[in-house]
Amino acid sequence: QKEVEQNSGPLSVPEGAIASLNCTYSDRGSQSFFWYRQYSGKSPELIMFIYSNGDKEDGRFTAQLNKASQYVSLLIRDSQPSDSATYLCATQKDTGNQFYFGTGTSLTVIP
Amino acid sequence: DTAVSQTPKYLVTQMGNDKSIKCEQNLGHDTMYWYKQDSKKFLKIMFSYNNKELIINETVPNRFSPKSPDKAHLNLHINSLELGDSAVYFCASSLAGAAVDIQYFGAGTRLSVL
Repeated sequence: QKEVEQNSGPLSVPEGAIASLNCTYSDRGSQSFFWYRQYSGKSPELIMFIYSNGDKEDGRFTAQLNKASQYVSLLIRDSQPSDSATYLCATQKDTGNQFYFGTGTSLTVIP
Repeated sequence: DTAVSQTPKYLVTQMGNDKSIKCEQNLGHDTMYWYKQDSKKFLKIMFSYNNKELIINETVPNRFSPKSPDKAHLNLHINSLELGDSAVYFCASSLAGAAVDIQYFGAGTRLSVL
């Protein structure tokens, strides 16, 4: 079983819609959770991190964490074509410990 | 001013050759990493160094040898390159002891072994 699982997609949404990206993890000891965005041919860049159960909002992005269900999600409101990228979910057990990345979900926002 | 810089950006070489990739960060971080991203976009950690000391060494062939001359640099040397080594290699850095361990990635080195 992989440490972090994501639906590879592709996920297509029309411009202005809400995109919902999901991630599950296997290690209950995971403490920190990250969403990275990776444009084609570029490096991953951090979008959001979350470590407490519940929702965390930053602009158009909302991260949701449910530790009981071992589930993390990222919602992108008012999706824009510039949001088209691969979104990588990552977990970490403790600071300084290894990161585990999912294989990413490819998102396409259709104008 | 690039925070995490890798060289070269592209590397095309023949099987059996030895090559190195260099990484430098100017963020004042003390932890650096090497990741390999395969054609399916799976990003897998290879090594992690904290203050020049190896702290994570995943199951990687011993043809791969990291070297950290100081905490701002982490180089990756690969001996006897194989076709399966073709991938994008990312260097990253983070600040140990921070409340949240945010990793900053370099632009990547696309290695093609022919």
